[in-house]
Amino acid sequence: AQSVTQLDSQVPVFEEAPVELRCNYSSSVSVYLFWYVQYPNQGLQLLLKYLSGSTLVKGINGFEAEFNKSQTSFHLRKPSVHISDTAEYFCAVNRRDNNNDMRFGAGTRLTVKP
Amino acid sequence: DVKVTQSSRYLVKRTGEKVFLECVQDMDHENMFWYRQDPGLGLRLIYFSYDVKMKEKGDIPEGYSVSREKKERFSLILESASTNQTSMYLCASTPRHRGTYNEQFFGPGTRLTVL
Repeated sequence: AQSVTQLDSQVPVFEEAPVELRCNYSSSVSVYLFWYVQYPNQGLQLLLKYLSGSTLVKGINGFEAEFNKSQTSFHLRKPSVHISDTAEYFCAVNRRDNNNDMRFGAGTRLTVKP
Repeated sequence: DVKVTQSSRYLVKRTGEKVFLECVQDMDHENMFWYRQDPGLGLRLIYFSYDVKMKEKGDIPEGYSVSREKKERFSLILESASTNQTSMYLCASTPRHRGTYNEQFFGPGTRLTVL
């Protein structure tokens, strides 16, 4: 089975600073990779996904992530954060051969301070 | 756009009550899921369904059951609610066959408190 580790449970950062949220995964089969964002008291919204092709993936709200197969990582980055980016971020993996086995990390709470 | 709706945003129940959480999706997706979300644990799969009347246990099915009588609707049932079932419950859906959409689409969540 696959698993996901989000290396930071909380990341505080000042407005307009860059941020990186780290995600490592483990799987014996090929996977698709996702980042979701959850604003307070809401469901999860897809930020971006890696399916194939270019390892640098761009998503909504200025976020991007890079798939690194050798390091089994999929870190999320944004060059300049806003107060409105304050939320919880979840990394997830889904087996390519099974649409019903998505695994989520424990989440990283990003807090952007003025 | 895919829309997944959940019947309640907030729910307060008493220990021992039978609780129903409803989820409806409007994109004709075959697969539907129920997760619970707890701080520091991420999302854990309770049950999923890959067709009408079909269901599979997830990682934490104990204390829960599900019902899928129609394709668009997937219900989570707590037969006898307990305080350790206080949590955020999230419903999701995805099509069976991979195509343009590979991600799961989530509802807004139901925050359940059991007193």
